[in-house]
Amino acid sequence: EAGVAQSPRYKIIEKRQSVAFWCNPISGHATLYWYQQILGQGPKLLIQFQNNGVVDDSQLPKDRFSAERLKGVDSTLKIQPAKLEDSAVYLCASSSGHGPSYEQYFGPGTRLTVT
Amino acid sequence: SQQGEEDPQALSIQEGENATMNCSYKTSINNLQWYRQNSGRGLVHLILIRSNEREKHSGRLRVTLDTSKKSSSLLITASRAADTASYFCATGSGYSTLTFGKGTMLLVSP
Repeated sequence: EAGVAQSPRYKIIEKRQSVAFWCNPISGHATLYWYQQILGQGPKLLIQFQNNGVVDDSQLPKDRFSAERLKGVDSTLKIQPAKLEDSAVYLCASSSGHGPSYEQYFGPGTRLTVT
Repeated sequence: SQQGEEDPQALSIQEGENATMNCSYKTSINNLQWYRQNSGRGLVHLILIRSNEREKHSGRLRVTLDTSKKSSSLLITASRAADTASYFCATGSGYSTLTFGKGTMLLVSP
């Protein structure tokens, strides 16, 4: 089966610019996650969707980050405007169910550099 | 804040040796998962252990869970250079989302 797809793989932008990332989960997976992983740390959850509804966005900096999952399939994460501290790898993951008893499948990530 | 804390932060061993890394957490959990991340394959799920299980095996991996001590360990036996990666524990309870630790960096030298 095809894995989680993400694009672009790399992005370099200047601070105050905007950027968008795209994710296509494994077919049939209702739950989709966006994580931010700063170098040397573990992934930090930004937002979790169940179908096209938001389950958890408590750690999403809503003044600059937004995400949507129209039609409950693919998803986009946007940062506007970007700050230097947003430099990180943005990971998308999906799972067949909701909760910690389900294995998460991760995409390759998008490495964002903000200069 | 991150729930799980892996120990050690970094581990360097020779091929054929065993590698043990530990994870401690603060609050009660239903499940604990271990993931591996390397540059080639990204972040990959290794094993899930439920709170009512004490030990689980998968190939060369052995995971233990001690809920009384709020800790878990991951043992990789007969390590290979391909096991070089960062290893993360991730915890969760109820329907909460997983919380990942900072990881242990494992280097296996030929």
